Amino acid sequence: GENVEQHPSTLSVQEGDSAVIKCTYSDSASNYFPWYKQELGKRPQLIIDIRSNVGEKKDQRIAVTLNKTAKHFSLHITETQPEDSAVYFCAASRRDDKIIFGKGTRLHILP
Amino acid sequence: NAGVTQTPKFRVLKTGQSMTLLCAQDMNHEYMYWYRQDPGMGLRLIHYSVGEGTTAKGEVPDGYNVSRLKKQNFLLGLESAAPSQTSVYFCASTVGLGRANEQYFGPGTRLTVT
Repeated sequence: GENVEQHPSTLSVQEGDSAVIKCTYSDSASNYFPWYKQELGKRPQLIIDIRSNVGEKKDQRIAVTLNKTAKHFSLHITETQPEDSAVYFCAASRRDDKIIFGKGTRLHILP
Repeated sequence: NAGVTQTPKFRVLKTGQSMTLLCAQDMNHEYMYWYRQDPGMGLRLIHYSVGEGTTAKGEVPDGYNVSRLKKQNFLLGLESAAPSQTSVYFCASTVGLGRANEQYFGPGTRLTVT
């Protein structure tokens, strides 16, 4: 089955700097790659997703890149702000199969 | 719309007791999922359902059972609770449509087994 590895497990960046979180997946048939943000005590919420027919997608300060050949994808957050502090999860899924999540990255934005 | 709701929000069980967690969604979604979240382990899939009357095992199904008798409800049962089942449980749903889409999560249920 699918296995998703996520790095780093913890990341601290100065406010205003960029943050990058990386994930790898094992199943070459996976074609849907969402990213979820979970604030303390809250439920996970989708922030951006990408399908395998595109290499990059951007939404304001957030972007995701996908390298199908290497089976890895990354989340990029630019101009980080205090409200970006949270746990971020990457995930991978095949066409209509279950979604498998990475173990998460705790992002700290330092003042 | 209420979205995805979970009942109860908190529960404390003694080892060996049983309980059922209820998940309900009012978005007419086809697919529903149960996850458990433990520190440092991310979200692990317990069971899922791709339609009314169907269920399938996820990554960590042992010790749990599920039922999807109505499209809007997905029940998670613990027949004989163990301390290892202490966790936060999240339910989620997605529209389905034959391809993976955004999952909408419920608020979670914090379960402690003593």
